[in-house]
Amino acid sequence: GAGVSQSPRYKVAKRGQDVALRCDPISGHVSLFWYQQALGQGPEFLTYFQNEAQLDKSGLPSDRFFAERPEGSVSTLKIQRTQQEDSAVYLCASSMDRGRYYNSPLHFGNGTRLTVT
Amino acid sequence: AQTVTQSQPEMSVQEAETVTLSCTYDTSESNYYLFWYKQPPSRQMILVIRQEAYKQQNATENRFSVNFQKAAKSFSLKISDSQLGDTAMYFCAFMKTIGSEKLVFGKGTKLTVNP
Repeated sequence: GAGVSQSPRYKVAKRGQDVALRCDPISGHVSLFWYQQALGQGPEFLTYFQNEAQLDKSGLPSDRFFAERPEGSVSTLKIQRTQQEDSAVYLCASSMDRGRYYNSPLHFGNGTRLTVT
Repeated sequence: AQTVTQSQPEMSVQEAETVTLSCTYDTSESNYYLFWYKQPPSRQMILVIRQEAYKQQNATENRFSVNFQKAAKSFSLKISDSQLGDTAMYFCAFMKTIGSEKLVFGKGTKLTVNP
């Protein structure tokens, strides 16, 4: 595809449900990032992959959050037992370079808006 | 830890006029990167301009330029000849050059360009 694709675009979950958010990066992009953007805030880093290796997961807010990228392309962010505070837009971004993406720009998707009721 | 502060929650400008968005940051790093991103209602973050801290020359990209003051830890964005399509949220962001790949964002400034 031409850009980073995220699905679903909108997700409504009842508190306590598990959700899975998908990210299709640009083909060939090595680096993949997940960010969480609460309403009225800037994005906050969640986790970073280089190919299939999760090199940084320091931003994941709790052990209810889990991300994977098993074949080094598509990534899934899973949230277990969702809580109201998990309501946010979840942004995925990818880059061609091996982590030195400041020399090759980040491409962001349109995000998934998660609402937990 | 690094922090990024955008003190202007909202700004407006008339079409064809010039507007400046402010950003300050706090870091103990000597070398780093600074970015301005635009986020329209589609939610997609779009890179506007990038500055490398070791470069003294201010970055420019067409109608967009920055005023980078390293000692003051200030990184403002100037938009010249504002266009209706510039209406969006603008985020300032920081990244270390070594040891971390993550961007640290400010809270954003909502810019409205009026016809």
